[in-house]
Amino acid sequence: GAGVSQSPRYKVAKRGQDVALRCDPISGHVSLFWYQQALGQGPEFLTYFQNEAQLDKSGLPSDRFFAERPEGSVSTLKIQRTQQEDSAVYLCASSPESGRNQPQHFGDGTRLSIL
Amino acid sequence: GDSVTQMEGPVTLSEEAFLTINCTYTATGYPSLFWYVQYPGEGLQLLLKATKADDKGSNKGFEATYRKETTSFHLEKGSVQVSDSAVYFCALSGLGSTGFQKLVFGTGTRLLVSP
Repeated sequence: GAGVSQSPRYKVAKRGQDVALRCDPISGHVSLFWYQQALGQGPEFLTYFQNEAQLDKSGLPSDRFFAERPEGSVSTLKIQRTQQEDSAVYLCASSPESGRNQPQHFGDGTRLSIL
Repeated sequence: GDSVTQMEGPVTLSEEAFLTINCTYTATGYPSLFWYVQYPGEGLQLLLKATKADDKGSNKGFEATYRKETTSFHLEKGSVQVSDSAVYFCALSGLGSTGFQKLVFGTGTRLLVSP
């Protein structure tokens, strides 16, 4: 389909392992966002890309979190040395531009469980 | 900082009942306001939006009016269906650190509609 695609849908990892989560935005969308959604909560902003430039990473919880979008399309969120508090659903969203009226289109998310 | 407050759920209704889910916000400037819906096992879908004061967003029988004087954006539907059972998130577009628009979400309200 033409929507935002995320993989894997589910990821289980042991504490201390590194994980990588992938996001394929809608083709041609300039803006890409990552959000973290804890159980029973609303999504919280992690980081934002405009094309390949990471313009804001103020929401990343620690330096164990790293995101990239090297060619301005696919993005990867990497978490190093995972901890139990990293367990959450990670959502990716894209929009054609970054204007205030631009709705963001979300993927189905990756549910990450850290054992 | 910017924030969104939603009524706690779950909201339990019988089919064809009237629905109201309250949402109030705190923001600097003039944000756009959104309602997103999350069906079980799926990602967030935009339900409706309003970009300025007194605007009414509407979609699939749902409506919400941007009330600047009361800083509210309550979601309403005249007659709910079982298929409306989902989690509803109110959100605003707030300024990120570099001037882009990131979404700030409420905690979500679960709606359960019984036949």
